[in-house]
Amino acid sequence: GAGVSQSPRYKVAKRGQDVALRCDPISGHVSLFWYQQALGQGPEFLTYFQNEAQLDKSGLPSDRFFAERPEGSVSTLKIQRTQQEDSAVYLCASSLGGQGDEKLFFGSGTQLSVL
Amino acid sequence: SQKIEQNSEALNIQEGKTATLTCNYTNYSPAYLQWYRQDPGRGPVFLLLIRENEKEKRKERLKVTFDTTLKQSLFHITASQPADSATYLCALDGSNYGGSQGNLIFGKGTKLSVKP
Repeated sequence: GAGVSQSPRYKVAKRGQDVALRCDPISGHVSLFWYQQALGQGPEFLTYFQNEAQLDKSGLPSDRFFAERPEGSVSTLKIQRTQQEDSAVYLCASSLGGQGDEKLFFGSGTQLSVL
Repeated sequence: SQKIEQNSEALNIQEGKTATLTCNYTNYSPAYLQWYRQDPGRGPVFLLLIRENEKEKRKERLKVTFDTTLKQSLFHITASQPADSATYLCALDGSNYGGSQGNLIFGKGTKLSVKP
């Protein structure tokens, strides 16, 4: 596609529900990142994939958060037993290769509200 | 611990003036720094990247400087326009601190408003 696509755009969940957020990166991009952005804050790193390999998951806040990219393209971020503090915008980004200094292309994000 | 600060949460200027945004960091030695623009309800959009061995980078009306001694980057928009109104984020290379390649550490951002 022309850009990074994320779905759903908005998600409302009741506390304790599981949610799944989808990211379609730019075709051919090797690297994929997930970031969490709270209101009024900058994005915070969650996890990084190079193709299907999850090379860094140091930013995942708890074991309730799980990400996968099984075929090296589409990625899913899953949050189990959602809590109110999980409410935020979840941003996906991709970059062309595995070089550290490449620019990131971001999607518009999924705004998650946990009630 | 590592810390990134962007000089102010909001900056209001008059159209035609130069906007200057500041990004300061402590306890880092980043190999590069990036600036992004973010509009409400959208993801950040890449603007410029500057490496530690570069003092200045320009792109059209944008200019970025990187002073590794002062641990500071300045981001300038000359001849500012109302369409430049947005939040501007600086992001540092986090790989020096146990992060992976491409692990960017973002500041909170500065919201720029350009009045006609």
